[in-house]
Amino acid sequence: GQNIDQPTEMTATEGAIVQINCTYQTSGFNGLFWYQQHAGEAPTFLSYNVLDGLEEKGRFSSFLSRSKGYSYLLLKELQMKDSASYLCAVRDTGGFKTIFGAGTRLFVKA
Amino acid sequence: DVKVTQSSRYLVKRTGEKVFLECVQDMDHENMFWYRQDPGLGLRLIYFSYDVKMKEKGDIPEGYSVSREKKERFSLILESASTNQTSMYLCASSGDRGSEQYFGPGTRLTVT
Repeated sequence: GQNIDQPTEMTATEGAIVQINCTYQTSGFNGLFWYQQHAGEAPTFLSYNVLDGLEEKGRFSSFLSRSKGYSYLLLKELQMKDSASYLCAVRDTGGFKTIFGAGTRLFVKA
Repeated sequence: DVKVTQSSRYLVKRTGEKVFLECVQDMDHENMFWYRQDPGLGLRLIYFSYDVKMKEKGDIPEGYSVSREKKERFSLILESASTNQTSMYLCASSGDRGSEQYFGPGTRLTVT
């Protein structure tokens, strides 16, 4: 079956670092995406990993281990505006379908 | 600036009504998608289209149909709305096969 697991909620402090984990079991794999979704808004693309390792983009980094079916999103120097849901998504082998996790709601407190 | 627009932000319909949700993208993307988003379940794919007049079922197509007569427009149709179709509906598009998706603002549909 297809399954993507991520924690439901996390809380972190402004200025800190937070790591949001994602594990997946899918029939095919052709890349992993992270999206950010603020309450009441559309998801927006954050990062993409297709090979093992770390991809860094400013305050955001994403890591992938294909052998472990594992990814994480690392957010540094947290800001209040980072309070949002973070969606982990896996693209299937054919390339059209993307399976989304339920999302992790991150609360950043002062 | 890339843009995906949806015809309504909020919609209230009665059980049994036929409902049309429209999505338009201005990025000349080949691929378009319809998802519904429910608390605790994440985004679930209803239908997608990789070309004009082409459509493929997603994971939960029952009770829905789609139409893509023009490249920029992808419509979702609820043939006979039911209360279990109350949800947030999100449209998305992407360029190359499997590249990141751009989402519209969503339509919150309530069926009473």
